[in-house]
Amino acid sequence: DTEVTQTPKHLVMGMTNKKSLKCEQHMGHRAMYWYKQKAKKPPELMFVYSYEKLSINESVPSRFSPECPNSSLLNLHLHALQPEDSALYLCASSHSTGELSEQFFGPGTRLTVL
Amino acid sequence: GENVEQHPSTLSVQEGDSAVIKCTYSDSASNYFPWYKQELGKRPQLIIDIRSNVGEKKDQRIAVTLNKTAKHFSLHITETQPEDSAVYFCAAPRSNDYKLSFGAGTTVTVRA
Repeated sequence: DTEVTQTPKHLVMGMTNKKSLKCEQHMGHRAMYWYKQKAKKPPELMFVYSYEKLSINESVPSRFSPECPNSSLLNLHLHALQPEDSALYLCASSHSTGELSEQFFGPGTRLTVL
Repeated sequence: GENVEQHPSTLSVQEGDSAVIKCTYSDSASNYFPWYKQELGKRPQLIIDIRSNVGEKKDQRIAVTLNKTAKHFSLHITETQPEDSAVYFCAAPRSNDYKLSFGAGTTVTVRA
């Protein structure tokens, strides 16, 4: 399996809802990432997990809460989001957190906050 | 951190012509430069990358060149085809934590 998978593909939620995004990879990669991407813009790094531990939080608001239950899974818990949080949320993984390690992206979850 | 600038922001070419996208970076310690292609509604996919120990790398119709002295690298697409239409992002690692910093993207349109 050489893919990163994400569920759901689309998500519509209200500002008072709680929802979770899920990401999975079975490539044995030890680094996993969450990115946020607005239309026609580059991906913006949100969080990095290295060996299942949070290593980077790019000053993301606490309404986004990441979780790494094991080396293959990555979740992003959402609560009390704002309409401006509507975006494509991409998960990625890489063999390591070293600088020469290619990142593989999942297909993303298209999130709409009403 | 790393600052990556990408030009042009949009590029329209006739099918069969070449396309060139250029990126500059700020951190002289950077030594890995990937290029991602993102088709509409799809995930970014790595199409080619280059490490600082080489000046050029080719893969069929795609090539990347690196000038470490000038701190810029370029993507070259020859004999463009309609399926080359997409947004292309260059990237370089940040020196403080090696995470990728992306350029702003270039929307390439290949006219049939």
